[in-house]
Amino acid sequence: DTGVSQDPRHKITKRGQNVTFRCDPISEHNRLYWYRQTLGQGPEFLTYFQNEAQLEKSRLLSDRFSAERPKGSFSTLEIQRTEQGDSAMYLCASSSLVGGSPLHFGNGTRLTVT
Amino acid sequence: QKEVEQNSGPLSVPEGAIASLNCTYSDRGSQSFFWYRQYSGKSPELIMSIYSNGDKEDGRFTAQLNKASQYVSLLIRDSQPSDSATYLCAVGDGRFNKFYFGSGTKLNVKP
Repeated sequence: DTGVSQDPRHKITKRGQNVTFRCDPISEHNRLYWYRQTLGQGPEFLTYFQNEAQLEKSRLLSDRFSAERPKGSFSTLEIQRTEQGDSAMYLCASSSLVGGSPLHFGNGTRLTVT
Repeated sequence: QKEVEQNSGPLSVPEGAIASLNCTYSDRGSQSFFWYRQYSGKSPELIMSIYSNGDKEDGRFTAQLNKASQYVSLLIRDSQPSDSATYLCAVGDGRFNKFYFGSGTKLNVKP
């Protein structure tokens, strides 16, 4: 079990640029989640996949955000035209299909938009 | 909006004492409950899962669940300075496979 892997660990970008993050879940996990966390807050749900299907996307999520999970393996989260308010820790987590299985988080990608 | 509420703290306890962390949730349909520990600048780490009413013990940690009161708690016995972290309560919505998090309680264990 190699755990959930996220890349990059840190990203600094200028406002208006596009950024893309990658997540590799635990290999036997079918569900993959993206969360965003700002200082002093708990993780906020963004979207989740079951295999390659994106089953839900938060209504709070701007159209500038898009996520994919081709072939049901790794996932990417893209933010277009970044804004300073996008600065946060982006967390990827995976879980198995067994009912009630917990989320296992990766190390996160810290995004700073200047 | 499904809510998970926690006191933000900080909760300060002396080394060796019992730390008690509490969480309430709004959705009666919630089926799974988790406690995560998060060190500053790091990602959440799962420490306890609980699914039925009562207590569940794992080493120095005890999770308690009362679905009628919509209340989950975490007890940490013999608290150590290394337990100083933010503790996140998470609630699972079994129907939609979503997880809702509280804002966390910051615990300080003083040597």
